[in-house]
Parts: sequence; C-alpha cells; structure tokens
Amino acid sequence: AQKITQTQPGMFVQEKEAVTLDCTYDTSDQSYGLFWYKQPSSGEMIFLIYQGSYDEQNATEGRYSLNFQKARKSANLVISASQLGDSAMYFCAMVGYGSNYKLTFGKGTLLTVNP
Amino acid sequence: EAQVTQNPRYLITVTGKKLTVTCSQNMNHEYMSWYRQDPGLGLRQIYYSMNVEVTDKGDVPEGYKVSRKEKRNFPLILESPSPNQTSLYFCASSLYKRPWRPYFGPGTRLTVT
Repeated sequence: AQKITQTQPGMFVQEKEAVTLDCTYDTSDQSYGLFWYKQPSSGEMIFLIYQGSYDEQNATEGRYSLNFQKARKSANLVISASQLGDSAMYFCAMVGYGSNYKLTFGKGTLLTVNP
Repeated sequence: EAQVTQNPRYLITVTGKKLTVTCSQNMNHEYMSWYRQDPGLGLRQIYYSMNVEVTDKGDVPEGYKVSRKEKRNFPLILESPSPNQTSLYFCASSLYKRPWRPYFGPGTRLTVT
C-alpha cells in the first residue's frame, strides 16, 4: 500500500519568489513513480512533473523541479519565480509499479501567490 | 487532439435517480480509472480497468458500478445516488509503459440532493 503525506494545508508566497511544497511518501514497492499535479479553481488536474524511483537526477520542467530524496522518502516540489497564476491547489501523488497502477494522492496544499 | 472527455461536466440530481457519467479516450489506452475528489481527502480511486472486460474495485467502490465493453469507453454508473456521493469525479486513462503518465478528464461535478 502507498501513502502520501502533505503537511502544509496552505502556503503563501510573494510573486517572483521561490516556494517549496513538501511531500513525503511510503511504499513497499521498489519501483514507483512520483507526480505533482496542479488544480486551479476551475477544477481540472494539470500534470506538472514526474520522478521515477530509479531516476538518478531530479526531474525539472520549466519553473518546476522535484527535489527527490529517496532515503528520506521525500519528493518536494520547488516552484521558482512564482507567478500569480500559480495560485492553486497542488497534489503530490505516487504509483507503485508492483500494484494495480493506482495513483495515491495526498490531501493537497493550497498555494496563494501574493502580488 | 489526444484527450479524455467526460459527460456531463455538471449534474444536479435527486436521491435514487439512476445516472451514468461517461468517459471516453482517443489514445488507445489500455488502463482507465475513476476517482472522486472530496475536500480535505484528495482523490480516491473508485474503480479501474486494465483492459476491455477487465475491471476491479479501487478504494471506495460502494454505490458505483462500471463497465468496459470497448477500449475507449469506461462509464461510471450510480444505480441509486445518495447525497454522500456528491463529489467531483475524474476519469483517467494511460498506457502500460514507464514513465507511466495518466491523462485526466476535465472532471464531473455531481450534486445529489
């Protein structure tokens, strides 16, 4: 079974500053994947970034990077140079490749970017 | 355009009136699944399907049915909706390959009164 923990219900950041959203996970699978999704107020789930458990380098996608620390079982999302449009709910999720390809989600962090 | 579509996007209904939420994908994906999202709980899997005619329960299957008669479609059926099924529902589909990447539909906001 997988478990995702996001300990920050809400975060505030000033526009143009960087922000880190925390995510820790637990799994018995040796091979797994970690995801971050953004959910704006309109409701759709937007894929941001993916990290495989055997990837040696941290994943990056534009202003998003995933700080993957395998020994600590953490997969924090770093957003550089925050923009007002980054205000949204952010979900960390994982899939265990030994399981039924089910995505297990955390409860989310609501990010507010202040001008 | 590669996409997952859901219909309806919004639905208000009454307790006990059977309804179906459709999900369709045009990417020839084998795997499809349904999730529900409730405030403070994140998304939880309802049912999934690994291929045509193969379905199985997720974490919260009570009160729901699914079928997978065609590869592209995976409807979610609520035989007798109740107010506790008021939620935001997402369908997702994916190939069986790594890195695994599920594609989400736009969501269906269901209210049961």
